[in-house]
Amino acid sequence: KQEVTQIPAALSVPEGENLVLNCSFTDSAIYNLQWFRQDPGKGLTSLLLIQSSQREQTSGRLNASLDKSSGRSTLYIAASQPGDSATYLCAVRNSGNTPLVFGKGTRLSVIA
Amino acid sequence: GAGVSQSPSNKVTEKGKDVELRCDPISGHTALYWYRQSLGQGLEFLIYFQGNSAPDKSGLPSDRFSAERTGGSVSTLTIQRTQQEDSAVYLCASSLEVSYNEQFFGPGTRLTVL
Repeated sequence: KQEVTQIPAALSVPEGENLVLNCSFTDSAIYNLQWFRQDPGKGLTSLLLIQSSQREQTSGRLNASLDKSSGRSTLYIAASQPGDSATYLCAVRNSGNTPLVFGKGTRLSVIA
Repeated sequence: GAGVSQSPSNKVTEKGKDVELRCDPISGHTALYWYRQSLGQGLEFLIYFQGNSAPDKSGLPSDRFSAERTGGSVSTLTIQRTQQEDSAVYLCASSLEVSYNEQFFGPGTRLTVL
């Protein structure tokens, strides 16, 4: 059974700092991996989707990497801003017709 | 539509009552997913639809939970005889098709069972 773990559970950084969020998964035979952002009381916003054949994806100040063999992904946020404060969720799919399996998220606070 | 919509946004009910939660996916999306987010539990999968059929119902926690989708569009999640442990945020997502594509989430319905 696939399990997804995110470390740390919470993180507080000063504005402008670069930071890395970690995600690990137990079954490395994944189909794809998706990073989401969730603001308090809101739904999930998709940030980046990495297919199993890809090593990384970039969008603006965000860069997500994938190392399938070691069962790890990282989300790198450059030059953090207070508006980046949210919970970041990592989720994996084991095949094209299986549901996403989520980690419990990392709650990020960026202090001005 | 512009995005996935869900209604109601909040629902407070008494233990033992039935509730219906609605999801309107993005127009043209054939796949639709229901998830539940409980405090401290993270997001758990409930059921998904490809068109109007539900190939995987493995995540439904009990036979009090059911879901249907009609016309390949709107879906309804029904919880019968609600219990306090059903209190959670119920999230709906859709994707262009089941395989490959990104899932786009609605804002969720916060269900509170008193």
